[in-house]
Amino acid sequence: NAGVTQTPKFQVLKTGQSMTLQCAQDMNHEYMSWYRQDPGMGLRLIHYSVGAGITDQGEVPNGYNVSRSTTEDFPLRLLSAAPSQTSVYFCASRSGGAIGYTFGSGTRLTVV
Amino acid sequence: DQQVKQNSPSLSVQEGRISILNCDYTNSMFDYFLWYKKYPAEGPTFLISISSIKDKNEDGRFTVFLNKSAKHLSLHIVPSQPGDSAVYFCAAETGSGSNYKLTFGKGTLLTVNP
Repeated sequence: NAGVTQTPKFQVLKTGQSMTLQCAQDMNHEYMSWYRQDPGMGLRLIHYSVGAGITDQGEVPNGYNVSRSTTEDFPLRLLSAAPSQTSVYFCASRSGGAIGYTFGSGTRLTVV
Repeated sequence: DQQVKQNSPSLSVQEGRISILNCDYTNSMFDYFLWYKKYPAEGPTFLISISSIKDKNEDGRFTVFLNKSAKHLSLHIVPSQPGDSAVYFCAAETGSGSNYKLTFGKGTLLTVNP
Protein backbone atom coordinates (compact mmCIF):
# COMPACT_ATOMS: atom_id res chain seq x y z
CA ASN A 1 0.00 0.00 0.00
CA ALA A 2 1.18 3.51 -0.81
CA GLY A 3 -0.63 5.10 2.17
CA VAL A 4 -1.17 8.85 1.78
CA THR A 5 0.40 10.33 -1.36
CA GLN A 6 0.88 14.07 -1.81
CA THR A 7 1.93 15.83 -5.00
CA PRO A 8 3.87 17.91 -5.74
CA LYS A 9 6.59 17.74 -3.08
CA PHE A 10 7.78 21.27 -3.81
CA GLN A 11 6.12 24.25 -5.49
CA VAL A 12 6.93 27.91 -6.00
CA LEU A 13 4.05 30.24 -6.86
CA LYS A 14 3.79 33.89 -7.63
CA THR A 15 1.39 36.01 -5.61
CA GLY A 16 -2.08 35.76 -7.10
CA GLN A 17 -1.58 32.45 -8.85
CA SER A 18 -3.84 29.52 -8.12
CA MET A 19 -2.96 25.87 -7.77
CA THR A 20 -4.17 22.57 -6.41
CA LEU A 21 -2.30 20.37 -3.97
CA GLN A 22 -3.16 16.76 -4.57
CA CYS A 23 -3.76 14.14 -1.90
CA ALA A 24 -4.72 10.52 -2.45
CA GLN A 25 -5.01 7.58 -0.07
CA ASP A 26 -5.46 3.91 -0.90
CA MET A 27 -6.58 2.68 2.53
CA ASN A 28 -10.31 3.34 2.05
CA HIS A 29 -10.25 5.81 4.93
CA GLU A 30 -13.38 7.86 5.49
CA TYR A 31 -11.73 10.78 7.24
CA MET A 32 -9.23 13.10 5.56
CA SER A 33 -7.68 16.38 6.64
CA TRP A 34 -5.32 19.09 5.51
CA TYR A 35 -2.85 20.71 7.89
CA ARG A 36 -0.25 23.39 7.48
CA GLN A 37 2.96 23.53 9.47
CA ASP A 38 4.69 26.82 10.13
CA PRO A 39 7.80 27.42 12.26
CA GLY A 40 6.89 27.64 15.93
CA MET A 41 3.20 27.03 15.20
CA GLY A 42 2.82 23.26 15.16
CA LEU A 43 0.27 21.81 12.74
CA ARG A 44 -2.96 23.69 12.18
CA LEU A 45 -6.09 22.22 10.63
CA ILE A 46 -7.22 23.86 7.37
CA HIS A 47 -10.13 21.71 6.16
CA TYR A 48 -11.35 18.23 6.81
CA SER A 49 -13.78 15.68 5.38
CA VAL A 50 -15.76 12.89 7.04
CA GLY A 51 -16.60 11.16 3.78
CA ALA A 52 -17.17 11.67 0.06
CA GLY A 53 -19.22 14.79 -0.56
CA ILE A 54 -18.80 16.13 2.99
CA THR A 55 -16.25 18.79 3.95
CA ASP A 56 -15.91 21.36 6.70
CA GLN A 57 -13.61 24.13 7.83
CA GLY A 58 -10.84 23.77 10.35
CA GLU A 59 -8.88 26.37 12.28
CA VAL A 60 -7.32 28.29 9.35
CA PRO A 61 -9.58 27.85 6.26
CA ASN A 62 -9.34 31.29 4.66
CA GLY A 63 -7.84 31.29 1.17
CA TYR A 64 -8.34 27.55 0.66
CA ASN A 65 -11.03 25.39 -0.91
CA VAL A 66 -11.51 21.64 -0.77
CA SER A 67 -13.79 19.05 -2.32
CA ARG A 68 -14.22 15.32 -1.80
CA SER A 69 -15.79 13.70 -4.83
CA THR A 70 -14.29 10.27 -4.09
CA THR A 71 -13.16 8.45 -0.95
CA GLU A 72 -9.58 8.35 -2.24
CA ASP A 73 -8.92 11.97 -3.19
CA PHE A 74 -8.98 15.20 -1.21
CA PRO A 75 -7.43 18.09 -3.18
CA LEU A 76 -6.65 21.45 -1.59
CA ARG A 77 -7.03 24.51 -3.80
CA LEU A 78 -5.34 27.84 -3.29
CA LEU A 79 -7.53 30.38 -5.02
CA SER A 80 -5.14 33.35 -5.12
CA ALA A 81 -1.82 32.59 -3.48
CA ALA A 82 -0.42 35.01 -0.91
CA PRO A 83 3.02 35.06 0.77
CA SER A 84 1.28 34.20 4.07
CA GLN A 85 0.44 30.82 2.54
CA THR A 86 4.10 29.89 2.34
CA SER A 87 4.17 26.75 4.45
CA VAL A 88 4.50 22.99 4.49
CA TYR A 89 1.18 21.30 3.84
CA PHE A 90 0.28 17.85 5.11
CA CYS A 91 -2.62 15.68 4.12
CA ALA A 92 -3.77 12.97 6.52
CA SER A 93 -6.37 10.22 6.65
CA ARG A 94 -7.83 7.78 9.16
CA SER A 95 -10.48 5.14 9.40
CA GLY A 96 -13.26 5.25 11.94
CA GLY A 97 -11.88 2.30 13.88
CA ALA A 98 -8.32 3.56 14.22
CA ILE A 99 -6.65 6.00 16.57
CA GLY A 100 -5.02 9.03 15.01
CA TYR A 101 -4.30 10.00 11.45
CA THR A 102 -1.77 8.73 8.89
CA PHE A 103 0.12 11.57 7.28
CA GLY A 104 1.57 12.11 3.84
CA SER A 105 5.12 13.33 3.34
CA GLY A 106 4.09 16.93 2.72
CA THR A 107 4.19 19.65 0.07
CA ARG A 108 6.55 22.55 0.63
CA LEU A 109 4.96 25.65 -0.91
CA THR A 110 6.66 29.00 -1.36
CA VAL A 111 4.71 32.03 -2.52
CA VAL A 112 6.83 34.90 -3.79
CA ASP B 1 -6.44 30.06 22.75
CA GLN B 2 -3.99 27.20 22.49
CA GLN B 3 -5.66 24.01 23.70
CA VAL B 4 -2.55 21.82 23.57
CA LYS B 5 0.70 23.25 24.83
CA GLN B 6 4.26 22.02 24.66
CA ASN B 7 6.21 24.56 26.62
CA SER B 8 9.69 23.24 25.88
CA PRO B 9 10.79 23.99 22.31
CA SER B 10 13.82 21.75 22.68
CA LEU B 11 15.36 19.04 24.85
CA SER B 12 18.83 17.55 24.76
CA VAL B 13 19.74 14.25 26.45
CA GLN B 14 22.58 11.77 26.43
CA GLU B 15 22.25 8.41 24.72
CA GLY B 16 21.03 5.76 27.15
CA ARG B 17 19.36 8.24 29.50
CA ILE B 18 15.65 8.99 29.85
CA SER B 19 13.93 11.59 27.70
CA ILE B 20 10.78 13.17 29.15
CA LEU B 21 8.62 15.30 26.91
CA ASN B 22 5.74 17.20 28.45
CA CYS B 23 2.39 18.41 27.22
CA ASP B 24 -0.48 20.33 28.85
CA TYR B 25 -4.04 20.71 27.63
CA THR B 26 -7.05 22.80 28.51
CA ASN B 27 -10.03 20.97 26.98
CA SER B 28 -11.49 18.27 29.21
CA MET B 29 -13.44 16.83 26.27
CA PHE B 30 -10.45 15.31 24.50
CA ASP B 31 -10.96 11.57 23.97
CA TYR B 32 -7.44 10.49 23.06
CA PHE B 33 -3.98 11.90 23.34
CA LEU B 34 -1.32 11.02 20.82
CA TRP B 35 2.36 11.54 20.26
CA TYR B 36 3.74 11.96 16.77
CA LYS B 37 7.37 11.92 15.75
CA LYS B 38 8.60 13.99 12.82
CA TYR B 39 11.90 13.86 10.98
CA PRO B 40 12.91 16.74 8.66
CA ALA B 41 11.29 16.62 5.21
CA GLU B 42 8.94 13.82 6.27
CA GLY B 43 5.37 13.69 7.49
CA PRO B 44 4.56 13.08 11.16
CA THR B 45 4.37 9.42 12.12
CA PHE B 46 2.21 8.08 14.90
CA LEU B 47 4.17 6.92 17.93
CA ILE B 48 1.86 6.10 20.83
CA SER B 49 -1.54 7.08 22.18
CA ILE B 50 -3.51 6.99 25.40
CA SER B 51 -7.22 7.04 26.04
CA SER B 52 -8.58 9.74 28.31
CA ILE B 53 -9.80 7.01 30.67
CA LYS B 54 -6.33 5.53 31.16
CA ASP B 55 -3.35 6.87 33.06
CA LYS B 56 -0.52 4.94 31.40
CA ASN B 57 0.26 3.23 28.13
CA GLU B 58 3.51 1.50 27.31
CA ASP B 59 5.00 0.35 24.01
CA GLY B 60 8.58 -0.85 24.14
CA ARG B 61 10.85 2.04 25.04
CA PHE B 62 7.96 4.52 24.95
CA THR B 63 5.54 5.19 27.80
CA VAL B 64 2.89 7.87 27.96
CA PHE B 65 1.48 9.03 31.29
CA LEU B 66 -1.75 10.96 31.65
CA ASN B 67 -2.66 13.05 34.71
CA LYS B 68 -6.22 14.20 34.08
CA SER B 69 -6.55 16.27 37.24
CA ALA B 70 -3.52 18.31 36.17
CA LYS B 71 -4.45 18.17 32.45
CA HIS B 72 -0.93 17.00 31.78
CA LEU B 73 0.67 14.19 29.84
CA SER B 74 4.23 13.15 29.32
CA LEU B 75 6.15 10.85 26.99
CA HIS B 76 9.06 8.90 28.46
CA ILE B 77 11.68 7.34 26.21
CA VAL B 78 13.98 4.86 27.92
CA PRO B 79 16.72 4.36 26.93
CA SER B 80 17.10 7.23 24.50
CA GLN B 81 18.89 6.53 21.23
CA PRO B 82 20.41 8.90 18.65
CA GLY B 83 17.74 7.76 16.14
CA ASP B 84 15.11 9.22 18.48
CA SER B 85 16.32 12.71 17.58
CA ALA B 86 13.29 14.35 15.96
CA VAL B 87 10.48 16.80 16.64
CA TYR B 88 7.80 15.31 18.87
CA PHE B 89 4.26 16.63 18.63
CA CYS B 90 1.65 16.12 21.30
CA ALA B 91 -1.86 15.93 19.86
CA ALA B 92 -5.35 15.56 21.27
CA GLU B 93 -8.32 14.08 19.49
CA THR B 94 -12.00 14.89 19.78
CA GLY B 95 -14.98 13.38 18.04
CA SER B 96 -16.50 9.99 17.77
CA GLY B 97 -18.33 8.49 14.82
CA SER B 98 -19.02 11.66 12.91
CA ASN B 99 -15.99 13.84 13.15
CA TYR B 100 -12.43 13.28 14.32
CA LYS B 101 -10.19 16.29 14.77
CA LEU B 102 -6.60 16.47 15.97
CA THR B 103 -5.28 19.51 17.79
CA PHE B 104 -1.50 19.73 17.92
CA GLY B 105 0.99 21.35 20.21
CA LYS B 106 3.87 23.32 18.74
CA GLY B 107 6.35 20.48 19.10
CA THR B 108 9.54 19.74 21.03
CA LEU B 109 12.83 19.11 19.25
CA LEU B 110 14.58 16.20 20.96
CA THR B 111 18.29 15.78 20.40
CA VAL B 112 19.92 12.60 21.69
CA ASN B 113 23.67 12.96 21.84
CA PRO B 114 25.91 9.89 21.35
